[in-house]
Amino acid sequence: EVQLVESGGDLVQPGGSLRLSCAASGFTFSNYAMNWVRQAPGKGLEWVSYISGISGVIYYADSVKGRFTISRDNGKNSLYLQMSSLRVEDTAIYYCTRWSSGYHYYYEYWGQGTLVTVSS
Amino acid sequence: QSVLTQPPSVSAAPGQKVTISCSGSSSNIGSNDVSWYQQLPGTAPKLLIYDNNKRPSGIPDRFSGSKSGTSATLGITGLQTGDEADYYCGTWDNSLNPGGVFGGGTKLTVL
Repeated sequence: EVQLVESGGDLVQPGGSLRLSCAASGFTFSNYAMNWVRQAPGKGLEWVSYISGISGVIYYADSVKGRFTISRDNGKNSLYLQMSSLRVEDTAIYYCTRWSSGYHYYYEYWGQGTLVTVSS
Repeated sequence: QSVLTQPPSVSAAPGQKVTISCSGSSSNIGSNDVSWYQQLPGTAPKLLIYDNNKRPSGIPDRFSGSKSGTSATLGITGLQTGDEADYYCGTWDNSLNPGGVFGGGTKLTVL
């Protein structure tokens, strides 16, 4: 069974930093690209970042580029999101998602999410 | 402002059919397959439709998807109260800054 478990969400002040983690199990982690998707309170889904399985291809949404860094440790079956220079508008539930295999474009599995609150 | 455009809400009676539209552009829906996600209240989104019209295992055939040009549609027949949820369309955008894109979401109310 595929499982994605996020952790690291917390209350942080504007300008602060936070590192989110996602522990993956039930599949060969290195074979799949991963994404972070977030959802602000009462709002819709927003894609944040993508990282390929092995080749190191990375993309970011304009709203987080230069402030967030996605990474992964295939030996530990873990995905990370290092967030810095946090803003109030970064407040959201952050979901770890497994990307589809092959040349397809969908988020096949989702974690339960971790809440990041940016407030003074 | 979401890249893909969905109606904010739709409603229908139990047993009826409803459709939810998703409009994009040549760089996203026009170039890539569309997926749909169901988010029940207080839960994480779940994959409902992928590759425009395919259903993952366990998704009933009451749910269907289609795509034409730069638009996609989710259809739900035989509506049940348990279908009340937010529905999102998504795909990939091949613009200068490639990335995932979503619709703003549609709240389905089963009257």
